[in-house]
Amino acid sequence: DIVLTQSPGTLSLSPGERATLSCRASQSVSSSSLAWYQQKPGQAPRLLIYAISARATGTPDRFSGSGSGTDFTLTISRLEPEDFSVYYCQQYGSSPLTFGGGTKVEIK
Amino acid sequence: QVQLVQSGAEVKKPGSSVKVSCKASGGSFNNYAINWVRQAPGQGLEWVGGLIPMFGKPKYAQKFQGRVTITADESTSTAYMELSSLRSEDTAVYYCARLPAPLNFYYMDVWGKGTTVIVSS
Repeated sequence: DIVLTQSPGTLSLSPGERATLSCRASQSVSSSSLAWYQQKPGQAPRLLIYAISARATGTPDRFSGSGSGTDFTLTISRLEPEDFSVYYCQQYGSSPLTFGGGTKVEIK
Repeated sequence: QVQLVQSGAEVKKPGSSVKVSCKASGGSFNNYAINWVRQAPGQGLEWVGGLIPMFGKPKYAQKFQGRVTITADESTSTAYMELSSLRSEDTAVYYCARLPAPLNFYYMDVWGKGTTVIVSS
């Protein structure tokens, strides 16, 4: 199984700051098969990014994804109040589907 | 825009089974797959398994093999996940999610609101 390790576990930032979230895979993720989700308390996850860098419908352009192979990054260029949340990466290139443990972005 | 409407919360005894439903409202399952993901209290996301309704052959995470059954009724655009031999560790919110292509492994673009399953004696 591909293990996804997200870091940091918690990111404390202020609105307007830049957030950089990391997702590292235990082996190469095939066919650019990496997605990012946002989850707010009591809600289902919401797809933000797929295929490493493609924004899902409705994802603001302050969110961007990058990376390749085993190292991937989600960047939020300027944090808005609604961006303080938990973020998960997911690989779908190999069976089984796996998720990272999540990064919580909290208000400093 | 399709929405996934899940059945209500369940409280079950250890050793029993639970069956959760997921109905596509405003659309159908044609050309999509449906997966199930669970989230234990305060924990991350865990893939349970999935199914391409038009093909009918489910895929399960190794951890749940032998205990989970995922099915779909294309006539009602409803998917089901049944988990048996329940134990306290199965207490979680169970989400259904759509994969926007008839593939076993893909990203999930539409999610249900989740069904809370509590296993307690």
